Amino acid sequence: DTAVSQTPKYLVTQMGNDKSIKCEQNLGHDTMYWYKQDSKKFLKIMFSYNNKELIINETVPNRFSPKSPDKAHLNLHINSLELGDSAVYFCASSQVYPINYGYTFGSGTRLTVV
Amino acid sequence: DQQVKQNSPSLSVQEGRISILNCDYTNSMFDYFLWYKKYPAEGPTFLISISSIKDKNEDGRFTVFLNKSAKHLSLHIVPSQPGDSAVYFCAASDKAAGNKLTFGGGTRVLVKP
Repeated sequence: DTAVSQTPKYLVTQMGNDKSIKCEQNLGHDTMYWYKQDSKKFLKIMFSYNNKELIINETVPNRFSPKSPDKAHLNLHINSLELGDSAVYFCASSQVYPINYGYTFGSGTRLTVV
Repeated sequence: DQQVKQNSPSLSVQEGRISILNCDYTNSMFDYFLWYKKYPAEGPTFLISISSIKDKNEDGRFTVFLNKSAKHLSLHIVPSQPGDSAVYFCAASDKAAGNKLTFGGGTRVLVKP
């Protein structure tokens, strides 16, 4: 039974399209995150939600919009996709505090924009 | 500006020997430090953490050391096993920033049989 599940695992799409990535966690965590791993393999936070409330919004283009219908779900919608959006996107969840057990990550969604 | 740095992109070690991974940070507000392991096509998985008020934490073959004055931490894996071959990420948490985890660039470890 997967703790943090993301769909789809692979996504190939054309420039200009709009796409969504879904994420669900069954760990009972209050906080969920979206991270982006770029071509240089750096993991960078994009958004964080705590119990459906946005608490972290890093410098991310407005084309990216997270949506949290409930605390177990955090979806990522991307408008007008660009070539530079190609990356692996990871969803994660955690307890609020302490953070000593870290985040639990999903297996990632590899987005390729052509 | 990278607040968490792993200066060694790769490490090769013989099975049974010790693997030592290093990580440096700049933000003195970090309150927890964590190590993650990542296999290809999978998400990072949590390995071990250490609070900023401690200098050592041990869990089986994994030990993390923290030197706050040097803003440096290290992960020791003893003995190294072929299944340990993966990319290891150092991460740091800032409670005041909503527990945001800031990651280093990763170190690829290859354990040779």
